[in-house]
Amino acid sequence: AQSVTQLGSHVSVSEGALVLLRCNYSSSVPPYLFWYVQYPNQGLQLLLKYTTGATLVKGINGFEAEFKKSETSFHLTKPSAHMSDAAEYFCAVSDSNAGGTSYGKLTFGQGTILTVHP
Amino acid sequence: ETGVTQTPRHLVMGMTNKKSLKCEQHLGHNAMYWYKQSAKKPLELMFVYSLEERVENNSVPSRFSPECPNSSHLFLHLHTLQPEDSALYLCASSQDWGRGLQETQYFGPGTRLLVL
Repeated sequence: AQSVTQLGSHVSVSEGALVLLRCNYSSSVPPYLFWYVQYPNQGLQLLLKYTTGATLVKGINGFEAEFKKSETSFHLTKPSAHMSDAAEYFCAVSDSNAGGTSYGKLTFGQGTILTVHP
Repeated sequence: ETGVTQTPRHLVMGMTNKKSLKCEQHLGHNAMYWYKQSAKKPLELMFVYSLEERVENNSVPSRFSPECPNSSHLFLHLHTLQPEDSALYLCASSQDWGRGLQETQYFGPGTRLLVL
């Protein structure tokens, strides 16, 4: 079974500061990993995803994440926070094994609310 | 705009009411999903439809009844709900279901449901 843990339900940063949102996963097979963002009163929007290949993945709005197999992590970063980044962020994992029971399903973490102060 | 619309955006219903949530996708996708988002809980996948056929039902109570009349529309029929069913219900779509490379899911804005 897969699981996702997002460390910190709330993260607060100053505008211009580094954003670091932590995600650790558990999967018995090589995972596909995703970060989604949810702005107030909206649905989820894909920021970036890792499937295979380069472990450093770049997404929209200046975000990037690095897949570290040894640490089972997929932390999301942005060098300089902007006020418009305030939202809730979700890490998710999917099973890449076509024979697995979780194949094609996304398992989400509990979310991290990012607050950006002026 | 993600190309996935949901109506209504807000719904208040009593436990004896019957109501339906509607989702429409304008992306030409073949797979559609219902998720439940409750406060302080991870998103829960409820149902998946692929080419109008239900392929996943994650032990959802029978008071939730999905319907997929065509690949562009998805409904969630609600009856005799409980207060703990109050949540944000999100619809999503993707090009296909279960392909080798995970398809990106596109989400609608959700329906905020309150059961009194």
